[in-house]
Amino acid sequence: NAGVMQNPRHLVRRRGQEARLRCSPMKGHSHVYWYRQLPEEGLKFMVYLQKENIIDESGMPKERFSAEFPKEGPSILRIQQVVRGDSAAYFCASSPPGTVYNEQFFGPGTRLTVL
Amino acid sequence: SQQGEEDPQALSIQEGENATMNCSYKTSINNLQWYRQNSGRGLVHLILIRSNEREKHSGRLRVTLDTSKKSSSLLITASRAADTASYFCATDSSSGGYQKVTFGTGTKLQVIP
Repeated sequence: NAGVMQNPRHLVRRRGQEARLRCSPMKGHSHVYWYRQLPEEGLKFMVYLQKENIIDESGMPKERFSAEFPKEGPSILRIQQVVRGDSAAYFCASSPPGTVYNEQFFGPGTRLTVL
Repeated sequence: SQQGEEDPQALSIQEGENATMNCSYKTSINNLQWYRQNSGRGLVHLILIRSNEREKHSGRLRVTLDTSKKSSSLLITASRAADTASYFCATDSSSGGYQKVTFGTGTKLQVIP
């Protein structure tokens, strides 16, 4: 059973370009979470999705950021018109259905660098 | 502000010594988890302790939870150089019908061989 997969592992963009980050959850997991980690900081929650639904996007910046988790395929975190401040590591985590307890399994992250 | 705040922010010890990291949080929780992150890597889940538990062990790890003080500690005994990493606590609280995990700011541990 493969773990959570993220690609690309490293992404370099120039200011104004778009960044697309992909996350494939573990098999059988229907909950996906995205986090952002700035250098020397902890993880900040961005968004929580289930298949075809955004459950909580309270951590998402109001503009330029969007996320989806379609019925088929990976979850996508999309950043439009990137700025230098978007440079960070973006982690995706997944958890199985159910809300009794949800240990989250993390992917290796995508390191975004905006030039 | 972050739900979890780790203390100390950084810790440097000799191999073989014990390392203790503390985490304080603000709101009521369902459980608390500790994660490790090696430099430039993803997070690895270490241990989960439920709100009705006071202490839990896993190998060289010992976690305590004091819900009255809203604090937790992670003890790593007989530390090894390979334990060098950042350690984060994450609190799991009910929110809008589902559980939401909030991470602390982390403790950077260096174990000197």
